[in-house]
Amino acid sequence: AQSVSQHNHHVILSEAASLELGCNYSYGGTVNLFWYVQYPGQHLQLLLKYFSGDPLVKGIKGFEAEFIKSKFSFNLRKPSVQWSDTAEYFCAVISNQAGTALIFGKGTTLSVSS
Amino acid sequence: GAVVSQHPSRVICKSGTSVKIECRSLDFQATTMFWYRQFPKQSLMLMATSNEGSKATYEQGVEKDKFLINHASLTLSTLTVTSAHPEDSSFYICSARGWGGTEAFFGQGTRLTVV
Repeated sequence: AQSVSQHNHHVILSEAASLELGCNYSYGGTVNLFWYVQYPGQHLQLLLKYFSGDPLVKGIKGFEAEFIKSKFSFNLRKPSVQWSDTAEYFCAVISNQAGTALIFGKGTTLSVSS
Repeated sequence: GAVVSQHPSRVICKSGTSVKIECRSLDFQATTMFWYRQFPKQSLMLMATSNEGSKATYEQGVEKDKFLINHASLTLSTLTVTSAHPEDSSFYICSARGWGGTEAFFGQGTRLTVV
């Protein structure tokens, strides 16, 4: 079945450690890719998005993601995490083969200790 | 970014009653709205997609007679959970997209508890 997969369910890091969260999708055709963050008690916020062009996308708060078409992946990275990055992170896809709605991965909980 | 307001943020209702959740786009016209349901520790599951003035398109497994969606204007969509049961308890989130837009903006969600 077509899906969005996030491999890490819960990631625990110390401050200043580097972060990489995996995201793979199985949709064909044209895809738009997103990473959203949900801080405790808050609504979803867009971190970054990829539509076309440079596969390395920079977002807010020092996050970046790289689209690798051959691997159907869109991994999220940050060189040095902060305690305030503790949140739930969701990868999402819009595929022209799956309608117009965002399809989400299961999410990754990031816990950063100070 | 654009603002989407969802109301109420939290509601408790008795089993068998109906609950209406509102989703408003405050500073743009939402031609398409999406309703999601999020279970604890799980992802957002798309329930339905609605275009202004049209009937909603429901995802497989979502009962359209139980989850009534109305998108009568470009700034308001409502989700009514009819004859609610405890298993309907969940976190419901709406999302809105404007004409020609590729980014969807999210409401803050509604925590529904059916007792």
